[in-house]
Amino acid sequence: GEDVEQSLFLSVREGDSSVINCTYTDSSSTYLYWYKQEPGAGLQLLTYIFSNMDMKQDQRLTVLLNKKDKHLSLRIADTQTGDSAIYFCAESIRGYNKLIFGAGTRLAVHP
Amino acid sequence: GAVVSQHPSWVICKSGTSVKIECRSLDFQATTMFWYRQFPKQSLMLMATSNEGSKATYEQGVEKDKFLINHASLTLSTLTVTSAHPEDSSFYICSARPPGQQEKFFGPGTRLTVL
Repeated sequence: GEDVEQSLFLSVREGDSSVINCTYTDSSSTYLYWYKQEPGAGLQLLTYIFSNMDMKQDQRLTVLLNKKDKHLSLRIADTQTGDSAIYFCAESIRGYNKLIFGAGTRLAVHP
Repeated sequence: GAVVSQHPSWVICKSGTSVKIECRSLDFQATTMFWYRQFPKQSLMLMATSNEGSKATYEQGVEKDKFLINHASLTLSTLTVTSAHPEDSSFYICSARPPGQQEKFFGPGTRLTVL
């Protein structure tokens, strides 16, 4: 079946690293995505990783993929107050058309 | 990145009226667009896939007669919520993928409130 799960809330201190975790069930996932949603706004694509990759780094963002365990994580280095938002993990199935989203992890950054 | 816009950004309507939401790809052509609904503090749920020049594909449990989708051009898809009721109040978001690219870009969303 198609299911993506995330922890709902994460609180970190400014300057620390944040790690947001996600698990998925569909082994036929081809791409996995991380989106950021600020209050009242649409989704902003942060990064994505192809399913045959283990890691992808983009500036402060590091994505780790454990395909065997179907586990995806997003690490944000040097977390800032502007990083406070909801982060959605999503998997792409069925030839890239359909995205299945997790429930979102609310990241709160405090001084 | 590519830009997807939505109009209106928010709308309030009376129960029983119909509301049309537009989704436009501003700098690329999209043969396929996607409509999502997001309830407060919940995830996005795909409602339907809009196909230019043909009928939309609806996800299970989504009433096609209630949520009318028209994809009349390569840059515009519309979602009409017919005979809206308070339970249709939600955040509606569209997305599109530029040809040859992997990323899907999302519109800013339309908040619908039905009184």
